[in-house]
Amino acid sequence: DQQVKQNSPSLSVQEGRISILNCDYTNSMFDYFLWYKKYPAEGPTFLISISSIKDKNEDGRFTVFLNKSAKHLSLHIVPSQPGDSAVYFCAARGKAAGNKLTFGGGTRVLVKP
Amino acid sequence: DTGVSQDPRHKITKRGQNVTFRCDPISEHNRLYWYRQTLGQGPEFLTYFQNEAQLEKSRLLSDRFSAERPKGSFSTLEIQRTEQGDSAMYLCASSEGSGAVETQYFGPGTRLLVL
Repeated sequence: DQQVKQNSPSLSVQEGRISILNCDYTNSMFDYFLWYKKYPAEGPTFLISISSIKDKNEDGRFTVFLNKSAKHLSLHIVPSQPGDSAVYFCAARGKAAGNKLTFGGGTRVLVKP
Repeated sequence: DTGVSQDPRHKITKRGQNVTFRCDPISEHNRLYWYRQTLGQGPEFLTYFQNEAQLEKSRLLSDRFSAERPKGSFSTLEIQRTEQGDSAMYLCASSEGSGAVETQYFGPGTRLLVL
């Protein structure tokens, strides 16, 4: 049972344009959401997070939007840069599930120069 | 470097052998987590510690897996009688654990290949 899903396995975008990554979840008990970026042969690197009491959080080129009624979150990267090429994971934490994170399957982003 | 470190970075072993991995968390972090990631998937939770206490274990963690954090600092993950299905990236993460929301910071992982 996949509680967190990233339905787009890959995304290709031109440098300077916007990258939009999507994530859907099914568990209404999730209260905190995070995005991680992963390069090959490295561990995931934290990018940005959002609490369920907010609907938007922004940090530089990265903005995360949360739509609780739709159980959907998205990550916007503007402008996209070649160094953003990586695999992006969304993750969720549940109030009653301790502190473990449940991850989506990832979206591979390729930013073309 | 004050990030999470893991050792070894790569391990190749034969089926049936035991392996042990080490994780050193960020020094002021009292929570430590182990995850496993297979090709094309996101990380899956295995277990977590608050200081030296192991507070939660996933059903993914069979009896062949054991984790310890004896002094509340570094942790070890041991896999006994390895199977080919154990081949994966084993990731360690740590967090401060002082607030209602917290960010887990990951190490570089240990890639295990069981032949």
